[in-house]
Amino acid sequence: AQSVTQLGSHVSVSEGALVLLRCNYSSSVPPYLFWYVQYPNQGLQLLLKYTSAATLVKGINGFEAEFKKSETSFHLTKPSAHMRDAAEYFCAVTLSNTGNQFYFGTGTSLTVIP
Amino acid sequence: ETGVTQSPTHLIKTRGQQVTLRCSSQSGHNTVSWYQQALGQGPQFIFQYYREEENGRGNFPPRFSGLQFPNYSSELNVNALELDDSALYLCASSQGQGGVEQYFGPGTRLTVT
Repeated sequence: AQSVTQLGSHVSVSEGALVLLRCNYSSSVPPYLFWYVQYPNQGLQLLLKYTSAATLVKGINGFEAEFKKSETSFHLTKPSAHMRDAAEYFCAVTLSNTGNQFYFGTGTSLTVIP
Repeated sequence: ETGVTQSPTHLIKTRGQQVTLRCSSQSGHNTVSWYQQALGQGPQFIFQYYREEENGRGNFPPRFSGLQFPNYSSELNVNALELDDSALYLCASSQGQGGVEQYFGPGTRLTVT
């Protein structure tokens, strides 16, 4: 079975500080992993994806994530938080051989303190 | 390039009624997936349509049904609405049966009273 666990439903950081949002997955086959961002009353926007190429993935808005198979993790980081980064972040996994059903975590709400 | 669009934006229905939600896929995409996002939760997969055929279904009862049309737009129908059906319904489109990059629409907020 596939699943995603996001540790910390709420994370607060100061503007300019490092952002670290945690995601661990379980998958019976090599996974494809994603991070999405959701702003209030909007749909999900793709930040970045891992599809078995480079393990360090760079995304939009300065975010990046590293796939660590030994730790079954795909944590999202950004060196310096900006006020506009305040949003809900979702980690998702899908199976590399089907690509249809996405399994999402329960989300992490990021607050940026000025 | 046109993104994924959904209609209506908001909807209020009474328990027991039926509702139809609509989604237009991104240009060039032939696969549509539907998700239910309850308040404070992550999206839950309802089903996916590829070239007008259902291509996978999550753990939702049969009163959740769908259609995909030749132009790849899609409908989600929910019969016998229950209070717990209140949620944001998201549509995502992708290219191909195994297309892993899904692009989401803004969602339809359904409230059941």
